[in-house]
Amino acid sequence: SQTIHQWPATLVQPVGSPLSLECTVEGTSNPNLYWYRQAAGRGLQLLFYSVGIGQISSEVPQNLSASRPQDRQFILSSKKLLLSDSGFYLCAWSVQGFDEQYFGPGTRLTVT
Amino acid sequence: DQQVKQNSPSLSVQEGRISILNCDYTNSMFDYFLWYKKYPAEGPTFLISISSIKDKNEDGRFTVFLNKSAKHLSLHIVPSQPGDSAVYFCAAGGSGTYKYIFGTGTRLKVLA
Repeated sequence: SQTIHQWPATLVQPVGSPLSLECTVEGTSNPNLYWYRQAAGRGLQLLFYSVGIGQISSEVPQNLSASRPQDRQFILSSKKLLLSDSGFYLCAWSVQGFDEQYFGPGTRLTVT
Repeated sequence: DQQVKQNSPSLSVQEGRISILNCDYTNSMFDYFLWYKKYPAEGPTFLISISSIKDKNEDGRFTVFLNKSAKHLSLHIVPSQPGDSAVYFCAAGGSGTYKYIFGTGTRLKVLA
């Protein structure tokens, strides 16, 4: 069966520090991968998606970037965090050609 | 501009009764819709989906209805159980586009 892992579960970082969140999927090949953010009281906002290694589409101009160095690995990064980057970050995957997305457990990021 | 709206932030229902969660969208190009359930500090879990070629889809206690002319969908849970207490998100998009717009969620509380 397929599983999706995200780490860390929680993170507290000072403004201006770098960020690296990692997501890996097991049990499937060539998945579509997604990064979402849920800010307090808001819906899920799609940040990035990827349909293959090295291919990244950005949905919202911002302080963040994403990379897909391996087929089942998706990384969310920032060089300098802002207070507004605080939120709940979710990684998701889907089977190519199918719309249903399956989410990881999420990372709670607090920028202080 | 919010393309997917869940106008009820919260809903309380007695155990055994029907829960009806509503979702409205504005983009007539959306042709695939999904519902997710989310517990605190966890990622959303896929519940049920519906294509625009249908007006109803059932899966056990969960039924989703789609009214394309009104750009409205609803999720019915019958009978409601205390374990259904969670935040429910609807999402809408174009099938195969990978890009889904999520609503802000409705917090359902099922009272024992």
